Amino acid sequence: DIQMTQSPSSLSASVGDRVTITCRASRSIGTYLNWYQQKSGKAPKLLIYAASNLQSGVPARFSGSGSGTDFTLTISSLQPEDLGTYYCQQSYNTPSFTFGPGTRVDLK
Amino acid sequence: QVHLVQSGGEVKKPGASVKVSCETSGYTFADYGIVWVRQAPGQGLEWMGWITPYNDKTRYADNLEGRVTMTTDASTNTAYMEMRSLRSDDTAVYYCAREFVRFGDYSYDSWGQGTLVTVSS
Repeated sequence: DIQMTQSPSSLSASVGDRVTITCRASRSIGTYLNWYQQKSGKAPKLLIYAASNLQSGVPARFSGSGSGTDFTLTISSLQPEDLGTYYCQQSYNTPSFTFGPGTRVDLK
Repeated sequence: QVHLVQSGGEVKKPGASVKVSCETSGYTFADYGIVWVRQAPGQGLEWMGWITPYNDKTRYADNLEGRVTMTTDASTNTAYMEMRSLRSDDTAVYYCAREFVRFGDYSYDSWGQGTLVTVSS
């Protein structure tokens, strides 16, 4: 099985800050990596697919990068509506696409 | 527009079974897999399993094999997840999601609203 880790587990940032979240896979997964945002009490929402592709309708301040085992989600200018928990997901080991443990983002 | 609408919350006693439905609309049901993901209170997302409505092929998480069954009903474009021998640690919000494939990349692009299953004596 492919294990996913994320860092940090939580972070506090101010509106307008650049925020970076890291995801690491236990073995190389190419660019088979997705990012989701989950707001409190809501279902997850797809932000980024295939490591760096922005899902339709997602603001351009979100971006993803990386390949192999190391990946990054960046929010270029944090907005109040971006608060929530962010999960990476490997989509390499079909169909068992496991998630990372999540990174909680809140306002400083 | 793609929609996935799940059945309402359930309260069950330990040892009982629960069946959650996920009614889909806005796309061709047979063309996309359905996955089930659960989230225990205050915890992360746990992949439970996958079914393709095309031929009802399934794959379940190892830790749930034998207790969970996923099915579909093409006549109503609905997917179902049944879990048996419920335990208190099965208390969670259960989500269905559509598996979207583009150029060999898989992602879950549409989600149900979630169904809270509470297991308590």
